Amino acid sequence: NAGVTQTPKFRVLKTGQSMTLLCAQDMNHEYMYWYRQDPGMGLRLIHYSVGEGTTAKGEVPDGYNVSRLKKQNFLLGLESAAPSQTSVYFCASSDYTQYFGPGTRLTVL
Amino acid sequence: DAKTTQPPSMDCAEGRAANLPCNHSTISGNEYVYWYRQIHSQGPQYIIHGLKNNETNEMASLIITEDRKSSTLILPHATLRDTAVYYCIVRVPYGGSQGNLIFGKGTKLSVKP
Repeated sequence: NAGVTQTPKFRVLKTGQSMTLLCAQDMNHEYMYWYRQDPGMGLRLIHYSVGEGTTAKGEVPDGYNVSRLKKQNFLLGLESAAPSQTSVYFCASSDYTQYFGPGTRLTVL
Repeated sequence: DAKTTQPPSMDCAEGRAANLPCNHSTISGNEYVYWYRQIHSQGPQYIIHGLKNNETNEMASLIITEDRKSSTLILPHATLRDTAVYYCIVRVPYGGSQGNLIFGKGTKLSVKP
């Protein structure tokens, strides 16, 4: 039982490049979330999903897209990366309690 | 905005109990008190949650006042590995947008030898 895993752990992008972050959970949870955390700040919700095939916007959705094609996976996409998207990205899944992955550290130059 | 107030920092001696306070005076009747911690740059780790009764698990104890306007997280025997930022969050225990976690600034607990 791995819990919540995130791929990749680190990534450096140039402005304008695209990438996809993968979140996987093996707890059969319906709900999944993507957060970002900037230095010295709390976590902010980007997008979330209440089940396979569904997604919804959170607090800071601009510049990101998501997909939930399979129940166990939640993908976060950056179509055209910007330096303002330099951050640490955390994925979480939940039944009634959210459990977090280890994070992806993204730098956009 | 976060619905809780926590001191920005606290120190604790290794081996002693760490008592972390949280005020949540506007908590609603169906909202639970959740505690998470974040050890340097790692993902937030769930610790414990409760509605109105005191709760205990292998990590910590949670004491909630009778009026539910404040609570205290107790780490009974703090170790150096407990140094982290501790977040007190009130939320309904649902998934989706209703159960979204809103993180404030938390309390930076430093456990010292």
